[in-house]
Amino acid sequence: AQRVTQPEKLLSVFKGAPVELKCNYSYSGSPELFWYVQYSRQRLQLLLRHISRESIKGFTADLNKGETSFHLKKPFAQEEDSAMYYCALKRFGGGFKTIFGAGTRLFVKA
Amino acid sequence: DVKVTQSSRYLVKRTGEKVFLECVQDMDHENMFWYRQDPGLGLRLIYFSYDVKMKEKGDIPEGYSVSREKKERFSLILESASTNQTSMYLCASSLLNERDGYTFGSGTRLTVV
Repeated sequence: AQRVTQPEKLLSVFKGAPVELKCNYSYSGSPELFWYVQYSRQRLQLLLRHISRESIKGFTADLNKGETSFHLKKPFAQEEDSAMYYCALKRFGGGFKTIFGAGTRLFVKA
Repeated sequence: DVKVTQSSRYLVKRTGEKVFLECVQDMDHENMFWYRQDPGLGLRLIYFSYDVKMKEKGDIPEGYSVSREKKERFSLILESASTNQTSMYLCASSLLNERDGYTFGSGTRLTVV
């Protein structure tokens, strides 16, 4: 079954501490993965895509096919990183459809 | 530079009412989607559309229908609203191959009483 799992509903860290938001996926084909972010009272927006290998707002994510993971990392958390983060998997076959994880709320404490 | 616009931010409807949620995008995207967002459940796909007059069921289509008469507009219809349809509804659009991910609207919070 195709599935995206974000094991943590809430992650709380201190400002300046490293942060890692976990994402595991289940997919038989070659996955394409994304991270989306929703700041308070703002719309959900794309943060980064694994195919771009980019760093956005200091966040990076590496696809680990062996562990079927796509964890989102930042070495030094900032208060403005507090938001809801969703991991998403693009499915192929029968048209493209993206499925989302349940989300992790990141809270960065001052 | 709003690109996906949902017509209402908040709606309160009575049980049994027919409800229309409207979404318009100005990016000439082929794909449009309706999701509902619930705490602890993430985003669940209700319906999506690849083209005008085309529609496909998502993961939770029961109790909903959609309409896409024009490329830029995708409507979600609750034929007879029920309290378990109280939720945040998100519209999104994308290119046909979803290469650049999705662009979301700001959401409609629907309360059915």
